[in-house]
Amino acid sequence: GAGVSQSPSNKVTEKGKDVELRCDPISGHTALYWYRQSLGQGLEFLIYFQGNSAPDKSGLPSDRFSAERTGGSVSTLTIQRTQQEDSAVYLCASSLEGRGDEAFFGQGTRLTVV
Amino acid sequence: AQSVAQPEDQVNVAEGNPLTVKCTYSVSGNPYLFWYVQYPNRGLQFLLKYITGDNLVKGSYGFEAEFNKSQTSFHLKKPSALVSDSALYFCAVRDMDTGRRALTFGSGTRLQVQP
Repeated sequence: GAGVSQSPSNKVTEKGKDVELRCDPISGHTALYWYRQSLGQGLEFLIYFQGNSAPDKSGLPSDRFSAERTGGSVSTLTIQRTQQEDSAVYLCASSLEGRGDEAFFGQGTRLTVV
Repeated sequence: AQSVAQPEDQVNVAEGNPLTVKCTYSVSGNPYLFWYVQYPNRGLQFLLKYITGDNLVKGSYGFEAEFNKSQTSFHLKKPSALVSDSALYFCAVRDMDTGRRALTFGSGTRLQVQP
């Protein structure tokens, strides 16, 4: 597609429920990132995928968070047993494989846990 | 480890005046440096990057940034601010050779341009 696509754009869920957030990167981009942004704040790194390499999961805040990337394309971020502190905008980005390549961001998924 | 510091939470400037948004970084090796802008209710947009070569890089919307290796800085500048430049600005770094491959972002600086 023309840009990074994320779905849903908004998600309201009850505390304790599981949620899945989807990211469709730009075609041909081998690197994919997930970040979390609390209201008006900075970007917190969550996880990074690069081609067939093992993902960098060092930013995942707890074992309730997991992500996968199927076929080197679409990625799903799963949050199990959601908590109110998980409420944030979850941003996905993709880039070409070089370290000098800029990342292109999706519009994000706004997650609200009630 | 790689890190970015944006020491100012907010920068206020009058329209027509020059603006500077500060960024300093820390990496083990040499850096790739990026600036992004986030307008209200919109995603992050890439502004410019430093890879190698000329220390002064030019980007979108008339912005430029100067890489200073000795001061480990990459400040964003614009000669004449517009009200429409008001937004949240993020600096980001990636180590050129080693360490984390994902971009590390600063905490962001809110730019407010007054008419």
